[in-house]
Amino acid sequence: QSVLTQPPSVSAAPGQKVTISCSGSSSNIGNNYVSWYQQLPGTAPKLLIYENNKRPSGIPDRFSGSKSGTSATLGITGLQTGDEADYYCGTWDSSLSAGLGVFGGGTKLTVL
Amino acid sequence: EVQLVESGGGLVQPGRSLRLSCTASGFTFGDYAMSWVRQAPGKGLEWVGFIRSKAYGGTTEYAASVKGRFTISRDDSKSIAYLQMNSLKTEDTAVYYCTRDVAVAGTEAYYFDYWGQGTLVTVSS
Repeated sequence: QSVLTQPPSVSAAPGQKVTISCSGSSSNIGNNYVSWYQQLPGTAPKLLIYENNKRPSGIPDRFSGSKSGTSATLGITGLQTGDEADYYCGTWDSSLSAGLGVFGGGTKLTVL
Repeated sequence: EVQLVESGGGLVQPGRSLRLSCTASGFTFGDYAMSWVRQAPGKGLEWVGFIRSKAYGGTTEYAASVKGRFTISRDDSKSIAYLQMNSLKTEDTAVYYCTRDVAVAGTEAYYFDYWGQGTLVTVSS
């Protein structure tokens, strides 16, 4: 049972837009920045979005992030077959005296 | 180019120990916190723990599932982070990734900007 809640799967056609939600609580998303990671099949995860909505160098602007209250959203426009992957949200949880890293359960994106 | 290379994985019996290494290159290792994240077969990501940089005390934090059994350490002179795993359980079977952690300004939080390729640990009799 993951601390952050994501839908298990989403799908859309090539060229379309998709959003992936990530729900948490006041001790994690509500009080910390959210990051997103893309894991292509058989590879290590890669940073996609950090500090809610910033993209590392090399990440196309088709990928966007937002946060509101205790939820965050990853948006992907102009879907490509190469975007088929698992996507994870992550943040820090401050419910204990020391913060701990937490992830969502992951969302599998299928580009039909 | 930032590179993280994990090593030390393998097959180990329940109750035994194993030490993983993460060898870093391409950046000033001592300036960064380092985390270990694992992924059980067919499952999602689980943060295992991390070690802060010496500038932030070099202290460690762990997930409840491994606290008291796993220990993270670092050797800044060799640019290596370690994960010592004791009293291993079958549920510790996973690919273990090391990450470079970036501190979020003004907070105690981090995000993971580079990941290694992972090393598989299988705990089975």
